Amino acid sequence: QKEVEQNSGPLSVPEGAIASLNCTYSDRGSQSFFWYRQYSGKSPELIMFIYSNGDKEDGRFTAQLNKASQYVSLLIRDSQPSDSATYLCAVNFGLTGGGNKLTFGTGTQLKVEL
Amino acid sequence: DAGVIQSPRHEVTEMGQEVTLRCKPISGHNSLFWYRQTMMRGLELLIYFNNNVPIDDSGMPEDRFSAKMPNASFSTLKIQPSEPRDSAVYFCASSLERGVPNEQFFGPGTRLTVL
Repeated sequence: QKEVEQNSGPLSVPEGAIASLNCTYSDRGSQSFFWYRQYSGKSPELIMFIYSNGDKEDGRFTAQLNKASQYVSLLIRDSQPSDSATYLCAVNFGLTGGGNKLTFGTGTQLKVEL
Repeated sequence: DAGVIQSPRHEVTEMGQEVTLRCKPISGHNSLFWYRQTMMRGLELLIYFNNNVPIDDSGMPEDRFSAKMPNASFSTLKIQPSEPRDSAVYFCASSLERGVPNEQFFGPGTRLTVL
């Protein structure tokens, strides 16, 4: 069974610090990786996606992918209280894993403290 | 442009009743996904459609659940009969697939409570 694992948290960081969110997945054949943010009572919204090994930066967010280690992470620089939310890692396991569907982790709750 | 539209936003029903959830995807999107989210199990994919055709329904929990997509702009998820353990938030999402998985846009969700 294809699985995506995340630490549920909460992860608490002070305002201005770097928040590091981690995700592991079970299938080496996985093709694409997504980070969604979900505020309490709201629907998930896409933060970043990454397909290739290495880093991908977008503003204060950096996604890191290491396919050999089956590991993907999200770094949030200069964390703000508005970043407090649950972050969901999602993986597409490719054609053998069901086509275009995504498998989501259970999410990591991030709290940015003043 | 309007995002994914779901109705109703909240539904409270009694055990044994039929529940129908509705979804209108973003115009032009060709993939539609139904998810269920609970505290215990997180966000689970129930079924997804590509070009109105069900592709993967392996996440549908049992025969009490059924989903249809009669056209590109409308889908329903039906639970009959409903049970208290079906209480959850149900999300519909849509995307435009061009051979690689693309961003899924989520609707606001339907919060279902079965008493």
